[in-house]
Amino acid sequence: NAGVMQNPRHLVRRRGQEARLRCSPMKGHSHVYWYRQLPEEGLKFMVYLQKENIIDESGMPKERFSAEFPKEGPSILRIQQVVRGDSAAYFCASSPRRHEKLFFGSGTQLSVL
Amino acid sequence: QQQVKQSPQSLIVQKGGIPIINCAYENTAFDYFPWYQQFPGKGPALLIAIRPDVSEKKEGRFTISFNKSAKQFSLHIMDSQPGDSATYFCAGMGFGNEKLTFGTGTRLTIIP
Repeated sequence: NAGVMQNPRHLVRRRGQEARLRCSPMKGHSHVYWYRQLPEEGLKFMVYLQKENIIDESGMPKERFSAEFPKEGPSILRIQQVVRGDSAAYFCASSPRRHEKLFFGSGTQLSVL
Repeated sequence: QQQVKQSPQSLIVQKGGIPIINCAYENTAFDYFPWYQQFPGKGPALLIAIRPDVSEKKEGRFTISFNKSAKQFSLHIMDSQPGDSATYFCAGMGFGNEKLTFGTGTRLTIIP
């Protein structure tokens, strides 16, 4: 049973470009969470999705950031018009049900030049 | 109401010692408290978790102690080894707020 798969592992973008981060949850998991981690800091919640639904997006910046988890395929975190402050590690986690333990992927390290 | 406060920020312990990491939470709706271990360049890995109906849980060398009235919980690592050197995060989650809220992390170093 493969774990949570995130790709790419590393993503380099220039300011103003778009970044797309992908997350495939563990098999049988229909709940996906995205977290952001800055160097030497903790994990900050961004968004919680269930298949085709956004459950909680209270941690998402109001502009430029969006997330989806379609019926088929991976969850996508999309950052438009990236700025240097978006440089961080972005982690995805999945769980089989609400209020269950979360399993994390290895993350995508986004660097904005 | 969402914060989880973690201390210390960093900790150095000799091999075989018992590092203790402490967390305090504010949200009384939290009813699930996991600890995660993270190595550099890796994602957090679930180590052990507790629910408030018990005061202690052991898994191998890792023990969580939980004090519901004080809203505090702690991680103890018995017979610590250099391979335990990592960053440890506590977290909390509750019904109606089903996202993990993390502490700020403790960087643990076990010296031989």
